[in-house]
Amino acid sequence: GIQVEQSPPDLILQEGANSTLRCNFSDSVNNLQWFHQNPWGQLINLFYIPSGTKQNGRLSATTVATERYSLLYISSSQTTDSGVYFCAVRHERDYKLSFGAGTTVTVRA
Amino acid sequence: GAVVSQHPSRVICKSGTSVKIECRSLDFQATTMFWYRQFPKKSLMLMATSNEGSKATYEQGVEKDKFLINHASLTLSTLTVTSAHPEDSSFYICSARGLTLQDEQFFGPGTRLTVL
Repeated sequence: GIQVEQSPPDLILQEGANSTLRCNFSDSVNNLQWFHQNPWGQLINLFYIPSGTKQNGRLSATTVATERYSLLYISSSQTTDSGVYFCAVRHERDYKLSFGAGTTVTVRA
Repeated sequence: GAVVSQHPSRVICKSGTSVKIECRSLDFQATTMFWYRQFPKKSLMLMATSNEGSKATYEQGVEKDKFLINHASLTLSTLTVTSAHPEDSSFYICSARGLTLQDEQFFGPGTRLTVL
């Protein structure tokens, strides 16, 4: 199956700092999503971005499908940004999302 | 975005009993629903995929007689953990995808199952 690698595994930030999370995948995809899992376990959809660039407030994402990676940018981080960020992809010939191991982000006040 | 609900959010049961978890798509028709399991500090593991009116497709290693899945309508899927044992304790999350939502998947808030 398709492999999904996220880096870094852990990230500690001071409030107000910017950061970049990376997602590498091993094959062609037709679906790529970024999620934020909050402390209560809810997965919140951040971006549906199989290619291109999108922005939503302080968050933005870029997927370069031809080079098989995606980046999630967090700017001016806030304590509420803390949690686990997951990247998930679906291979062109598959029916299911494959998840990366996640990046645990801790934002300190 | 689309909303997926799960009920109950938390359940504690005795070993040997069965537990049913409901997953509903509130504002869209879910042609496909997915059930995941998540262990502490781990990623999501897909258990099964169901399409409305069809039998569920289980991932390798998932016991279909232990985890019964029913997708009876376009807005409701249920997961029943039969004869639950302590090793079934986990966080169960459902997800749904609909024709009107392109290809995006939305997730429920999860159900924390504790088997004593």
